Order: sequence, then structure tokens, then C-alpha cells
Amino acid sequence: ELKVEQNPLFLSMQEGKNYTIYCNYSTTSDRLYWYRQDPGKSLESLFVLLSNGAVKQEGRLMASLDTKARLSTLHITAAVHDLSATYFCAVDMLWLRTSGSRLTFGEGTQLTVNP
Amino acid sequence: GAVVSQHPSRVICKSGTSVKIECRSLDFQATTMFWYRQFPKQSLMLMATSNEGSKATYEQGVEKDKFLINHASLTLSTLTVTSAHPEDSSFYICSAGVERGIRYEQYFGPGTRLTVT
Repeated sequence: ELKVEQNPLFLSMQEGKNYTIYCNYSTTSDRLYWYRQDPGKSLESLFVLLSNGAVKQEGRLMASLDTKARLSTLHITAAVHDLSATYFCAVDMLWLRTSGSRLTFGEGTQLTVNP
Repeated sequence: GAVVSQHPSRVICKSGTSVKIECRSLDFQATTMFWYRQFPKQSLMLMATSNEGSKATYEQGVEKDKFLINHASLTLSTLTVTSAHPEDSSFYICSAGVERGIRYEQYFGPGTRLTVT
């Protein structure tokens, strides 16, 4: 059974600081996703990482994937209050070709950026 | 593009009644639709996967007779929570999946908050 673990689960940081969220998974995967969820809202797609060594950046967020280590990171640079949210990684085991996808989510990291 | 809607966004029902939640892909046809449940402060758990015109595949531990899924077209899937109980209160999120080259994308709906009293 695929397991996806994030750490930390709770992160409180000051504006302007840098930090990294880690996502470890237990078996070989095709794809890895990062999502953002604001309170009471659904998921917003941030990144899709498709291959070993993939790195993607959007604004103050940068995601990377190391398939050999079964590890993805989400790095936050110079955090601002607007980044406060819960961040989920999700690993996609290509389950059946006809279905195309089966996402297993990490527990989520609740990020609070303090002024 | 790739917008998924859910209706209703919030519903309150009495214990023992049934509730239907609709999930629609508005500007694309989805090969597969997925239903997730999220309890407060927890992660998303996949409940079931459905393809248009065929029976849904349920995850282990999810009662198929309680959570009825109908996938009538490539743009519409419905989840009916039958004989709802307070423990069914949760945030239900659907997603619609489509292959885009080597990528497979799931586009998530805005969610439906169900409260059973």
C-alpha cells in the first residue's frame, strides 16, 4: 500500500523567512502533485512533477522531485502572509490505463505566516 | 478552461434522509470522475472512481450501497448519500480527470459541505 508522509504537519513562520516542506512516499510513482487548500475551500493545483530531477517554480514557491529518494520538496522563499494555507502533496500511481489516475494524498502541512 | 462545478455547495439534512451531490465538468469531457471525502483538519481520502457508463469502483471500506455513484455522461457524475447519519457529515470533493499527452490531470470541484443533523 502506498504511503505518503509530509513533514512538518504544522509550520508557523515569520514573513520574509524561508522554509521547506517535505513529502516522502513509499513506492515508485509516476507523478507527484502539490496542491494548496484555503480554509473551507477545495484544492488549487500548484505543481505537477513528472520526472526525476524535475523542478518547478511559481512566485515564492519551488517544488522538486527526487524519484530515487522518493522525496519531493516544496520550498518557500521569503514567505508572505498570503501563503498561509494547507499544502498537500499527492502521489499518483498509474492505476489502470483506462482510469488513468489514483491519487494518494499526504496528511497536509498547515502553514501560518505571521507578520 | 478545465472548470469543475459541484452542486450544492452546502447542504444540511436530517438523519435518515438521502442527499444527492452533482459534479459537472463544464468545459471539457472527463474520462473519469473521482469522489473524495475530507473530514475537518484531515487529508482527502478517495472514496470511489467512476467511468462514464460503467459501475463505480469503490475504495476499501467505502459502502457502495450507502454512497451511490452514477456517471451518466462524460460531464456529469452524481454521489448520493443514502440514509445519511451524523458521521457522514464531511466535505465531499469531486474531481474530473482527463489525459493531456503524457500527463493526467485531475481538476477539482469546489466541494460540498454536508451536515447531517
